[in-house]
Amino acid sequence: AQKITQTQPGMFVQEKEAVTLDCTYDTSDQSYGLFWYKQPSSGEMIFLIYQGSYDEQNATEGRYSLNFQKARKSANLVISATQLGDSAMYFCAMSEYNFNKFYFGSGTKLNVKP
Amino acid sequence: DAMVIQNPRYQVTQFGKPVTLSCSQTLNHNVMYWYQQKSSQAPKLLFHYYDKDFNNEADTPDNFQSRRPNTSFCFLDIRSPGLGDAAMYLCATSRVAVSYNEQFFGPGTRLTVL
Repeated sequence: AQKITQTQPGMFVQEKEAVTLDCTYDTSDQSYGLFWYKQPSSGEMIFLIYQGSYDEQNATEGRYSLNFQKARKSANLVISATQLGDSAMYFCAMSEYNFNKFYFGSGTKLNVKP
Repeated sequence: DAMVIQNPRYQVTQFGKPVTLSCSQTLNHNVMYWYQQKSSQAPKLLFHYYDKDFNNEADTPDNFQSRRPNTSFCFLDIRSPGLGDAAMYLCATSRVAVSYNEQFFGPGTRLTVL
């Protein structure tokens, strides 16, 4: 079974509007971490935000926030006030406790329109 | 600044000619990873080192080998590159911590096989 599922291969958003990128995950572990990375066309993976499974509050980092719904096993990324520079691939990833590996989703390509 | 460095950024090789990609880190992290990423796909983990312990993914072809002579450096050797090995190769590091395993990525090496 897929550990991480991103159902939106591509999305368009108007500049300055907010956008939500979906991510669902599958694990039987109680302790895990959820991550979002941005990958521009240059190829570098840029860490955006982290949510721990025991964190009660949704994580926020500037314009990025993570809508964590543990019972539904979803960890959606919300980008507010989008900018043209937000156009990139976005990957959701999960790390389970005590395992030295990430599980990546298939990614969502976000295009911000001027 | 502490970082993950990959050299070269672009590598061109010929079909069947061995090639080595290098990764170094100044983060003093004990885990180092090699990923292969093809266009518009998620990164695929090839193998990782936890200190000196080598962990190969079950579906990594024998054509791919790795060496980690010390904490700072890790190499990816492709013994006989085929056309299907053309991809972006990403190196990442992490410091193992309880339920938090953020990976820090290098800028990647884009491999072309002629």
